[in-house]
Amino acid sequence: GIQVEQSPPDLILQEGANSTLRCNFSDSVNNLQWFHQNPWGQLINLFYIPSGTKQNGRLSATTVATERYSLLYISSSQTTDSGVYFCAVSLSNTGKLIFGQGTTLQVKP
Amino acid sequence: DAGVTQSPTHLIKTRGQQVTLRCSPKSGHDTVSWYQQALGQGPQFIFQYYEEEERQRGNFPDRFSGHQFPNYSSELNVNALLLGDSALYLCASSLDGIVQETQYFGPGTRLLVL
Repeated sequence: GIQVEQSPPDLILQEGANSTLRCNFSDSVNNLQWFHQNPWGQLINLFYIPSGTKQNGRLSATTVATERYSLLYISSSQTTDSGVYFCAVSLSNTGKLIFGQGTTLQVKP
Repeated sequence: DAGVTQSPTHLIKTRGQQVTLRCSPKSGHDTVSWYQQALGQGPQFIFQYYEEEERQRGNFPDRFSGHQFPNYSSELNVNALLLGDSALYLCASSLDGIVQETQYFGPGTRLLVL
């Protein structure tokens, strides 16, 4: 099956710093999503990005499907950005999502 | 527009008991998927329901079963609970057959098995 690897596993930043999270996947996919899981467990959709680049405020993401990786950029980080960031992939648009192990981000004031 | 809702939010059971978790999909969605998230891990796919039938299944034993109702809501049932079933159970909904459709997750049910 598809393997999804995220790096780094843990990241500590000072407020205002920028960061890049990486997601590598082992096979071609039709669906790639980035999620932020808040301390209460809610998975919040950040991006649906099987290919290309998207931006939403301080967050942006790029997926290079031919090289099987995706990057999530967080600029000018805030303490509310803390939590776990997951990358998830699927072979179809509504099929099962396969999650990476996540990157735990802590932003210090 | 209501998002995905789940009930209950928390549940405590003892080994050997049975539990039923419930999920209502986002308005307009017809597909429901269930995931189990153990502490410190990413969510793992249990199964997916579409048109009231189980369409896909992950590597979970038959103790895990589900149902989808005509209004697209869904239940997850777990029989003969084990300590290892303690986890956050997440429901996700989507609209089948639509390109570029994301899956939206509910807030989850935290199950503790003692």
